[in-house]
Amino acid sequence: GAVVSQHPSWVICKSGTSVKIECRSLDFQATTMFWYRQFPKQSLMLMATSNEGSKATYEQGVEKDKFLINHASLTLSTLTVTSAHPEDSSFYICSARDQEREGTYEQYFGPGTRLTVT
Amino acid sequence: GQNIDQPTEMTATEGAIVQINCTYQTSGFNGLFWYQQHAGEAPTFLSYNVLDGLEEKGRFSSFLSRSKGYSYLLLKELQMKDSASYLCAVMDSNYQLIWGAGTKLIIKP
Repeated sequence: GAVVSQHPSWVICKSGTSVKIECRSLDFQATTMFWYRQFPKQSLMLMATSNEGSKATYEQGVEKDKFLINHASLTLSTLTVTSAHPEDSSFYICSARDQEREGTYEQYFGPGTRLTVT
Repeated sequence: GQNIDQPTEMTATEGAIVQINCTYQTSGFNGLFWYQQHAGEAPTFLSYNVLDGLEEKGRFSSFLSRSKGYSYLLLKELQMKDSASYLCAVMDSNYQLIWGAGTKLIIKP
């Protein structure tokens, strides 16, 4: 149980284009999902917290107009990188909390999406 | 500020025991997590400690001392597949996870 999927697993796009990454909780409902990015040999950096039906909360320094987050249902959150640039190339990981197990605060991670902007 | 410290890299021998330490300074404390992350993959949950003491789960154990702001992850009977990064993360007073930079563990035959 507690499986989170991400799609696509990797994507290459040209500079200036937009890329959408999907994060789904497959066997549980997630009122809260998190989006992280990770550069090589560095730790996870939280970008934003996504709550179903409301606006995402972005961390300081993360441009909300560049990284659009939509959490339209209890099982799906999307991250859209708009007007991507080479410096946006990174490993993007989502995680989700099980609504039924909110008290444990455990986060279940997706497999990650590797974005390369050329 | 909030800070999580763990060694950057450790090396151990297959079959041996290794202890990965983590010290933290955070605004509030609502538990400490250990995650394992293989290269190019997402983190997988290993343990969660919110009370002082040792939690044992198979070959892996995790210890917490809240008064010292200290935790360790103990891995026994090391296997080659244990080669990975081990991430320490603390949940602060806002229930936000603060992540350490991770410890890369290299297992040698």
